[in-house]
Amino acid sequence: AQSVSQHNHHVILSEAASLELGCNYSYGGTVNLFWYVQYPGQHLQLLLKYFSGDPLVKGIKGFEAEFIKSKFSFNLRKPSVQWSDTAEYFCAVLIYNQGGKLIFGQGTELSVKP
Amino acid sequence: DGGITQSPKYLFRKEGQNVTLSCEQNLNHDAMYWYRQDPGQGLRLIYYSQIVNDFQKGDIAEGYSVSREKKESFPLTVTSAQKNPTAFYLCASRSGLASTDTQYFGPGTRLTVL
Repeated sequence: AQSVSQHNHHVILSEAASLELGCNYSYGGTVNLFWYVQYPGQHLQLLLKYFSGDPLVKGIKGFEAEFIKSKFSFNLRKPSVQWSDTAEYFCAVLIYNQGGKLIFGQGTELSVKP
Repeated sequence: DGGITQSPKYLFRKEGQNVTLSCEQNLNHDAMYWYRQDPGQGLRLIYYSQIVNDFQKGDIAEGYSVSREKKESFPLTVTSAQKNPTAFYLCASRSGLASTDTQYFGPGTRLTVL
């Protein structure tokens, strides 16, 4: 069965620290990849997405992610986090020909200390 | 103001009762989805619908039912057969069935069984 695994359940960083959140998926076919963010009390929002082309994608608020097909990975990065980045982050995979359903990872809670 | 609305925001249910969660979108999106979010488990797909009057089971459909009589509406009923219904429920919609279409999420309904 297809699955998505996020390596860290809870990450605590100080402001200005660099961030990398791991995401691996298990599926051998073509996939589209997403990172969503859920700020406290807010909607789940799209952070960035990869469909094809350049494997390094840039999203909102200075986030980027790199798709490494050989490693089935789509890690999220930010060079310098801010307190306002405190949120829960979800990696998701869209499997072709399955009605557009997304398979989500377990989520990573990021706490940034001021 | 376009978007996805879910109501109510909080819902309390006694054991043995059925409850219906509302999801409405004015984005003219074809596909709609229901997910359940539990701490540490990410989001799991309950049901989805790609067109009016048609819907498919997701990964955890047992104890739930849906209808899609109108394009803009996709209500979810949590029945008494659902063994552990306390969770955060998220509705999403997607403009089409192309792989490049993104899912957008509503604000969610938090259901608590007393």
